[in-house]
Amino acid sequence: DTGVSQNPRHKITKRGQNVTFRCDPISEHNRLYWYRQTLGQGPEFLTYFQNEAQLEKSRLLSDRFSAERPKGSFSTLEIQRTEQGDSAMYLCASNRFYDQPQHFGDGTRLSIL
Amino acid sequence: AQTVTQSQPEMSVQEAETVTLSCTYDTSENNYYLFWYKQPPSRQMILVIRQEAYKQQNATENRFSVNFQKAAKSFSLKISDSQLGDTAMYFCASSNRDDKIIFGKGTRLHILP
Repeated sequence: DTGVSQNPRHKITKRGQNVTFRCDPISEHNRLYWYRQTLGQGPEFLTYFQNEAQLEKSRLLSDRFSAERPKGSFSTLEIQRTEQGDSAMYLCASNRFYDQPQHFGDGTRLSIL
Repeated sequence: AQTVTQSQPEMSVQEAETVTLSCTYDTSENNYYLFWYKQPPSRQMILVIRQEAYKQQNATENRFSVNFQKAAKSFSLKISDSQLGDTAMYFCASSNRDDKIIFGKGTRLHILP
């Protein structure tokens, strides 16, 4: 069990640029989740996948956000035309079945200049 | 809609003391899970304890125990013999069978030497 891996750990970019984050779940974990955590707040659910299928998207996920999980393995979260309000920690989690605890990665911290 | 409320933004206790963190929640589901997560500074989210709503017995993990009052929709965390390493943000959270987790805003806990 190597844990959930997220890259990069920290991303600094200028407003208006596109960014992409990657999450590698624990091997054999079918379900993968993305959350966003702003400073001083609890994480907020963004979206989740079962294998390659994206099953639910939060209303927080505007049309500038897109997530994919090709072949049901790693997942990417892309933000287009970044805005100041996108500055946050983006957390990824995975589990094998819906009733199993989610394991979280270290997160990717996004800073918008 | 699910909601989770933590009314204590910050708490401090002396090492070796017992501390209780409060949490209330709301859900229309009959079958759900409740969690306490720990997030140390700049470190990943760690599951402390999990309670299944249909189980009346309160969950316990070593020095950590919960007081689950289903009718009152209350789910408090008790940390016994607190240690310096318990210093962290603590998030109360809930999920229904669809497995996305709804987090509270957190309680920042300081264990003082």
